[in-house]
Amino acid sequence: KNEVEQSPQNLTAQEGEFITINCSYSVGISALHWLQQHPGGGIVSLFMLSSGKKKHGRLIATINIQEKHSSLHITASHPRDSAVYICAAKGGATNKLIFGTGTLLAVQP
Amino acid sequence: DAGITQSPRHKVTETGTPVTLRCHQTENHRYMYWYRQDPGHGLRLIHYSYGVKDTDKGEVSDGYSVSRSKTEDFLLTLESATSSQTSVYFCAISANRGGETQYFGPGTRLLVL
Repeated sequence: KNEVEQSPQNLTAQEGEFITINCSYSVGISALHWLQQHPGGGIVSLFMLSSGKKKHGRLIATINIQEKHSSLHITASHPRDSAVYICAAKGGATNKLIFGTGTLLAVQP
Repeated sequence: DAGITQSPRHKVTETGTPVTLRCHQTENHRYMYWYRQDPGHGLRLIHYSYGVKDTDKGEVSDGYSVSRSKTEDFLLTLESATSSQTSVYFCAISANRGGETQYFGPGTRLLVL
């Protein structure tokens, strides 16, 4: 069993829909990262959070430390949001990240 | 965008040949990482560096070596490439150890025939 699990693995949405991607982890963490990988392959960091909620534009990330669960929400989705979304957990005393396998999101016009 | 480049961006090589991938940064960040990305797996850490000449193994280090002689350069070497090392390789950097955002390079596609 992977230490970081994402769901769903694939997601297709219509433009304008509200999207939720989930991430569960089994390790103790000091931070949880959300990243975006576009079809061209480049990886961009979206959020790093250790508690509560963060918002950037139409993206919202939440984390529940007790439940070892994080969610990434996209409001008013757009085709340009189509990408792979990856969560990664950072262990307490280490600088290493443990990555989920990603969620492939396709937003159709 | 963080100043990270990788070279080459694409490479085709034959089994048994040595291959060196280069990661170059202009951010003066202390930490540098090499990952590989394969279908069905998340990014997996090969090696990382926490300073000049200071390196350590990641979870999939077998068959790989690294060197960091300057802050800005982190080299990944496949001493004798195998088909199982066909992958996309990403370099990343971070400024500090604790919970820092990692910035990723554009990736190198390696095909070992």
